[in-house]
Amino acid sequence: ETGVTQTPRHLVMGMTNKKSLKCEQHLGHNAMYWYKQSAKKPLELMFVYNFKEQTENNSVPSRFSPECPNSSHLFLHLHTLQPEDSALYLCASSQGLQGPYEQYFGPGTRLTVT
Amino acid sequence: AQRVTQPEKLLSVFKGAPVELKCNYSYSGSPELFWYVQYSRQRLQLLLRHISRESIKGFTADLNKGETSFHLKKPFAQEEDSAMYYCAHRYPGSARQLTFGSGTQLTVLP
Repeated sequence: ETGVTQTPRHLVMGMTNKKSLKCEQHLGHNAMYWYKQSAKKPLELMFVYNFKEQTENNSVPSRFSPECPNSSHLFLHLHTLQPEDSALYLCASSQGLQGPYEQYFGPGTRLTVT
Repeated sequence: AQRVTQPEKLLSVFKGAPVELKCNYSYSGSPELFWYVQYSRQRLQLLLRHISRESIKGFTADLNKGETSFHLKKPFAQEEDSAMYYCAHRYPGSARQLTFGSGTQLTVLP
């Protein structure tokens, strides 16, 4: 599959569970991003990675833990989440950070915390 | 902090009518601005960026520094234009972070 893929597409988890979201890009990009899209808020940037190194953490609670083992894969590890963390989590990638690079988005993982 | 404002959450127009989706930004310098679109059951994707001065699917957007606006316009709306539209802003020369507006849901009625 080309582009940016995310798995799972839907996830329901309890507050005591531990789960992980996966993102993979097949575009040869070097930068990857996690965004949170809630129903009543603008799209919020969570984390940015460039060449596997985290370059930005947008004051995200520690119950969200990102991991970027290589430039093609990005994970978001979840533990002890709260119901307000229910949202659509989008992954994106771009060729790089500097320059007018377009961000390509994945389809998102719809997360529901019960 | 930089901010992008899209004052209309919902906008409905009839097919063939002109449409304008409003976007205002708060940044005093020379911004980089974008419009992203999300069609039903599709992923978020770039529609156009101001530096390209391009027209995509009949849409154009002009940067007005005096009014700090980047409104998206189309002279004749089509039903397939129905989608969620997001205006986004980025500090120039620091391409790592896009700030998105809250989005406008456009519905083009037959």
